[in-house]
Amino acid sequence: DQQVKQNSPSLSVQEGRISILNCDYTNSMFDYFLWYKKYPAEGPTFLISISSIKDKNEDGRFTVFLNKSAKHLSLHIVPSQPGDSAVYFCAAKYRGSTLGRLYFGRGTQLTVWP
Amino acid sequence: KAGVTQTPRYLIKTRGQQVTLSCSPISGHRSVSWYQQTPGQGLQFLFEYFSETQRNKGNFPGRFSGRQFSNSRSEMNVSTLELGDSALYLCASSVRDRGLRETQYFGPGTRLLVL
Repeated sequence: DQQVKQNSPSLSVQEGRISILNCDYTNSMFDYFLWYKKYPAEGPTFLISISSIKDKNEDGRFTVFLNKSAKHLSLHIVPSQPGDSAVYFCAAKYRGSTLGRLYFGRGTQLTVWP
Repeated sequence: KAGVTQTPRYLIKTRGQQVTLSCSPISGHRSVSWYQQTPGQGLQFLFEYFSETQRNKGNFPGRFSGRQFSNSRSEMNVSTLELGDSALYLCASSVRDRGLRETQYFGPGTRLLVL
């Protein structure tokens, strides 16, 4: 059973606009959330993370929001650039576990067009 | 610093055969994890090794096994291959810094095709 869900398999956004990628989770024992970006023929690359004690974390153009009551997180990319076109994975870690064991969503293909 | 390396990058096998995949973590990283990525299931955790000991195991049949060597390099083995084992197998290594912040890095993966 998928404990981390990304319900949108794809998202298409114009360059310069905001991209919002969504992720839902079912288990309240998750205490740390991460977003990864993946290009074809490469492994996932870490983007940004957030602890469950926070509700927002920013890093440059990337901001992650966490709504614990809704068990929902989102990744905002502003402004979107063509180089951001990739598959984005949401991942979660159990409280007390290590980053070596993550639960991933199925990914969202982001396409940023000029 | 060199990244996580995986060999081979591509592999074709037939049903019933076995396969061994190799992963060399980033120097100094003692934790190595393996994931299977398929179009239908996304990334699924296989197992994690730390200092030559399996620390976590995912929900995969016993045909999937792994090990870690004293130099932190890791191998995973799949015996009696099935068509459904066709996937991208990703290895990741992680390290915890003095601030106890852990960072994980993925290799490029091994693409396995079972015919």
